[in-house]
Amino acid sequence: QVQLQESGPGLVKPSGTLSLTCAVSGGSINTNNWWSWVRQPPGKGLEWIGEIYHSGSANYNPSLKSRVTISVDKSKNQFSLKLSSVTAADTAVYYCARRPDTDVKQVFDYWGQGTLVAVSS
Amino acid sequence: DIQMTQSPSILSASVGDRVTITCRASESISRWLAWYQQKPGTAPKLLIYKASSLESGVPSRFSGSGSGTEFTLTISSLQPDDFASYYCQQYNRYSWTFGQGTKVEIK
Repeated sequence: QVQLQESGPGLVKPSGTLSLTCAVSGGSINTNNWWSWVRQPPGKGLEWIGEIYHSGSANYNPSLKSRVTISVDKSKNQFSLKLSSVTAADTAVYYCARRPDTDVKQVFDYWGQGTLVAVSS
Repeated sequence: DIQMTQSPSILSASVGDRVTITCRASESISRWLAWYQQKPGTAPKLLIYKASSLESGVPSRFSGSGSGTEFTLTISSLQPDDFASYYCQQYNRYSWTFGQGTKVEIK
């Protein structure tokens, strides 16, 4: 059973860079899956941030693309998110998730528990 | 981006009720639609993919239908464990987008 676990600072200063890591266990990151980040502001809905394949190929939400970098570390079986120039609007629970690269089920089937990141001075 | 609109935003129902949630896409997404359930403080859980395919382990009282721009999630007989928020998500075209959510609360 695949498990994902987010880690990183829970507080980031405005204009700073948010950095999170998602550790994958119970399976290799070097498989036919896209590894994604999704966020949820308190009391609001879900927003897809972006995703990466084990090859390093990445796709980003156009609304965040200029500020987002997602990378993969196959040796550590983990992938990471960096979001720059953060403001209070970036305060959210950040989830990592797996999205299989299949013909039919290209949806988020495994999720981490989520980590709350607050942007505040 | 493809916009996803759910209705209603809040649904009050009783145990045993048949419940239907609607999701509309701003353009045709064929059947590339998923439904998730989310309880407070937890990650979303996949219920249905490709509009009507039930994820393994999900109770059969959940069903999905639709194609093109209009989709529905139905819970045939609402159980106490089903009071939660529900989100639709399209995966027809980047970037992946979610509906704003429907909260199913106790009447």
